Amino acid sequence: DAGVIQSPRHEVTEMGQEVTLRCKPISGHNSLFWYRQTMMRGLELLIYFNNNVPIDDSGMPEDRFSAKMPNASFSTLKIQPSEPRDSAVYFCASSWSRRTNYGYTFGSGTRLTVV
Amino acid sequence: AQTVTQSQPEMSVQEAETVTLSCTYDTSESDYYLFWYKQPPSRQMILVIRQEAYKQQNATENRFSVNFQKAAKSFSLKISDSQLGDAAMYFCAYRSGSNYQLIWGAGTKLIIKP
Repeated sequence: DAGVIQSPRHEVTEMGQEVTLRCKPISGHNSLFWYRQTMMRGLELLIYFNNNVPIDDSGMPEDRFSAKMPNASFSTLKIQPSEPRDSAVYFCASSWSRRTNYGYTFGSGTRLTVV
Repeated sequence: AQTVTQSQPEMSVQEAETVTLSCTYDTSESDYYLFWYKQPPSRQMILVIRQEAYKQQNATENRFSVNFQKAAKSFSLKISDSQLGDAAMYFCAYRSGSNYQLIWGAGTKLIIKP
């Protein structure tokens, strides 16, 4: 298994531009999570999907952030318009909801820099 | 609400020696799971070891083992024969058996001295 695949690995964009981050979860996993990691706030859960349905988006900072999961093998996190304070590492993670003891498998993350 | 506390922002150890990272948590639940994740400079979050609360036996994965003290709500990670590749941030995490959320500690930066 290739693990959770995220792209791009790095993204540098100008303030006001649209940014799209992509994630391919592990085949067979039915739970998908988007996290944001910063030095100040640590790891923050942005949104949780189960069986492609958004279950909890209470962590999404504001309307500029949106996430979709059109099928079991693909998810996107979009920021429009981007702002310098959105600079962070964004992680996607997946798991099998019936195996709660297995934790999550994380992707390598996307380092986003908004200038 | 559940909380996870890692009281050591940074630890250092000589290569080949043993180091213990501390983690305490607070919960009123009886069904839960605990995890240690490693985040090296490559930033990949890697699951190191996990422990089910209902198991009395401490989990072990090669050089990594935990000391799970349920009554004290303590979950420390012991790394034996430390290697340079062990240098990383280590995060302790809690997950309720009835909830999808992982509750994270602030992390401990582990430095390995050659």
